[in-house]
Amino acid sequence: GENVEQHPSTLSVQEGDSAVIKCTYSDSASNYFPWYKQELGKGPQLIIDIRSNVGEKKDQRIAVTLNKTAKHFSLHITETQPEDSAVYFCAASKQDSNYQLIWGAGTKLIIKP
Amino acid sequence: GAVVSQHPSRVICKSGTSVKIECRSLDFQATTMFWYRQFPKQSLMLMATSNEGSKATYEQGVEKDKFLINHASLTLSTLTVTSAHPEDSSFYICSARRGGVTDTQYFGPGTRLTVL
Repeated sequence: GENVEQHPSTLSVQEGDSAVIKCTYSDSASNYFPWYKQELGKGPQLIIDIRSNVGEKKDQRIAVTLNKTAKHFSLHITETQPEDSAVYFCAASKQDSNYQLIWGAGTKLIIKP
Repeated sequence: GAVVSQHPSRVICKSGTSVKIECRSLDFQATTMFWYRQFPKQSLMLMATSNEGSKATYEQGVEKDKFLINHASLTLSTLTVTSAHPEDSSFYICSARRGGVTDTQYFGPGTRLTVL
């Protein structure tokens, strides 16, 4: 079955700098890759997603890139702010699995003031 | 945007009692809802997939008689933890997928269950 690996587990960056979180997946049939942000005690919030027919997607300070050949995708956050501090999860899914999400282990992002 | 609510947000109960958690999609119809459990500092663990009008599909190791799921309408799914024990204490989160050919899941705020 599908397996998603996420790195790093913890990332500490200076406010204003960029943060990059990387994920790899094993099932080449996966075609949907969302990123979620989870704050303490809350449910995950979708921040950006990408489908397999697109290589890159950007939304203001957040971007996601997808390399289907290498089976990896990355989250890029530029000009980080204190409110970006949270746990970020990547996931992968495919249509014939009832759209079940296979989750990465999560990355705790710490923004240092 | 897509809004999913959960109720209650926090519940404390005595061992042996049952607890019902509601998950509602407020501004869209959800043909599929998912129930997750999350332990501290860990990723989300899928418990079951709930399709409207049919029986839920449980993941391996999840007791269907203990975690009863009902998806009676396109906007409501419920999870009932029966005869709760302290080891059932956890953070339970639901998500809803819009109808149609789309993968996007929207999550509720979660329910913190504490069994004494």
